[in-house]
Amino acid sequence: GAVVSQHPSRVICKSGTSVKIECRSLDFQATTMFWYRQFPKQSLMLMATSNEGSKATYEQGVEKDKFLINHASLTLSTLTVTSAHPEDSSFYICSARGGPPYEQYFGPGTRLTVT
Amino acid sequence: GQNIDQPTEMTATEGAIVQINCTYQTSGFNGLFWYQQHAGEAPTFLSYNVLDGLEEKGRFSSFLSRSKGYSYLLLKELQMKDSASYLCAVNSGNTPLVFGKGTRLSVIA
Repeated sequence: GAVVSQHPSRVICKSGTSVKIECRSLDFQATTMFWYRQFPKQSLMLMATSNEGSKATYEQGVEKDKFLINHASLTLSTLTVTSAHPEDSSFYICSARGGPPYEQYFGPGTRLTVT
Repeated sequence: GQNIDQPTEMTATEGAIVQINCTYQTSGFNGLFWYQQHAGEAPTFLSYNVLDGLEEKGRFSSFLSRSKGYSYLLLKELQMKDSASYLCAVNSGNTPLVFGKGTRLSVIA
């Protein structure tokens, strides 16, 4: 399958700081990228959908001013967690989808710990 | 509405065969994914069925019946490392995937 990378894989930051997570599709053009969050032993929760060159669509309950998403190219999307708090500590996973047949692949995830 | 059902948990013996079922009712259908997710890791792609029938990839096979809204993932010659959650997800159009809650498979000796 296609390869999607994420960086960093783990990050620890202090409360109040911002963290940027990068998601790259390495061998295909991702017209759409998705950002998920997963708490321990829970299901994946979709945070937002971003299409290249346009604003992200956020799911209900996800603060767009806190979770800034940029999808500037067909191979790169970034998620910035602004003014992070301990309750933002979670596993953040991006997913990339190309054109037809719309196969979708996940990045390896970023484990964020806010102290 | 969108609904995907799969069993919550299954247990099977090393070396055996296990079938994980998934039924779906979605407003559209462009294909069905199966992913494997080990604890603490991101999901990894296993299969994508768009047309009816069985697709085989080594020890794993996936089947789809669009008319019945039904799919299954078949795992043969089970290994301990196959213990994981298996996620069924439907591509219902140019929208985010609709996920089932996942089936946690435990492989025992």
